[in-house]
Amino acid sequence: AQRVTQPEKLLSVFKGAPVELKCNYSYSGSPELFWYVQYSRQRLQLLLRHISRESIKGFTADLNKGETSFHLKKPFAQEEDSAMYYCALTSNSGGSNYKLTFGKGTLLTVNP
Amino acid sequence: DAGVTQSPTHLIKTRGQQVTLRCSPKSGHDTVSWYQQALGQGPQFIFQYYEEEERQRGNFPDRFSGHQFPNYSSELNVNALLLGDSALYLCASSLAGRKYSNQPQHFGDGTRLSIL
Repeated sequence: AQRVTQPEKLLSVFKGAPVELKCNYSYSGSPELFWYVQYSRQRLQLLLRHISRESIKGFTADLNKGETSFHLKKPFAQEEDSAMYYCALTSNSGGSNYKLTFGKGTLLTVNP
Repeated sequence: DAGVTQSPTHLIKTRGQQVTLRCSPKSGHDTVSWYQQALGQGPQFIFQYYEEEERQRGNFPDRFSGHQFPNYSSELNVNALLLGDSALYLCASSLAGRKYSNQPQHFGDGTRLSIL
């Protein structure tokens, strides 16, 4: 069975401080990991995916297969980063769209 | 492009009733997935439709059924509604096919279903 765990329900940091949102997963095959974000009054949208190895809005995430983690990091948090963040997992079998398994989410608040 | 559109935005039903939720995928997308998001939880996969057939199904009872039309739009039907079915129902669309390996899913705003 595949499972995603986000241990922090709430995370509060000050503007300019580093932020790390934790995500651990359980999956027997080869996973593909995503971070989705939901800003206030907006729809859920993709922030980044591990296979792209991109940095979006200053955020990065590295897949650590040994620790089965995919933590989201940003060196200097901004107030506009305040949002709900979801870590999600799917099969990396290629060629098909499989179901996403989501964590329960972490609400990030960046204080001025 | 309006992206994924869902209707209605809100719905109130009573126990035992039946409900139909609708979804139009993002232009160019051919695959539709449905998720249930209970309060304080992450979205939970219900099922996925591609080429008008259910391709995958999550751990949901048969009361939950769906349909995909030739224009790729989709419906989610829930029969014999229970109080526990109260949730936000999200539709997500994507593009399938081998060359589109695991294309990101684009989500709609959801339909908020309340069961009294």
